[in-house]
Amino acid sequence: QKEVEQNSGPLSVPEGAIASLNCTYSDRGSQSFFWYRQYSGKSPELIMSIYSNGDKEDGRFTAQLNKASQYVSLLIRDSQPSDSATYLCAPDAGGSYQLTFGKGTKLSVIP
Amino acid sequence: DTAVSQTPKYLVTQMGNDKSIKCEQNLGHDTMYWYKQDSKKFLKIMFSYNNKELIINETVPNRFSPKSPDKAHLNLHINSLELGDSAVYFCASSETGVTGELFFGEGSRLTVL
Repeated sequence: QKEVEQNSGPLSVPEGAIASLNCTYSDRGSQSFFWYRQYSGKSPELIMSIYSNGDKEDGRFTAQLNKASQYVSLLIRDSQPSDSATYLCAPDAGGSYQLTFGKGTKLSVIP
Repeated sequence: DTAVSQTPKYLVTQMGNDKSIKCEQNLGHDTMYWYKQDSKKFLKIMFSYNNKELIINETVPNRFSPKSPDKAHLNLHINSLELGDSAVYFCASSETGVTGELFFGEGSRLTVL
């Protein structure tokens, strides 16, 4: 059974700090990895995707992937209160149409 | 214009009733999905359609029946509602072959009393 593990949090960081969100997955066939952000009461929205080992940067966000360790992370630099949300890690299921979502990490950025 | 729209947004009903949720997307995508997010915020796929063809049918009770009249619409009908069906149901769409880039609707919160 495919599993995606995330620390549910809440993770509290002060404004301006770096928030580090971690995710491990069990499906070695996963090729693509996605981070979704979900504000309370809203729908998930895609914020980052990563396909190769290493780092991928997009503005204040950096995704890191290590397929050998089956580990993917999301760093948020200069965290803002508007970043307060639940972040969902979602690897694909071995290239299928299906994503397996983790339960998410709730991030709280304290002003 | 809303890209993925669902109706109704809120649904409160009694156990045993039958209800439907409708979804429409105007993004021109070929693939549409139904996801269920329970009270613990766990988001799980239920069904996926590609060009009106069912391609993913996870282990859900057969009381749940999806229907795709065309590639822009995917509806969900639920028979004999149970308390455990209470959840937020999200419709989503994506381009064929682009597996992870999902566009979600606003969700339909179903409460079964």
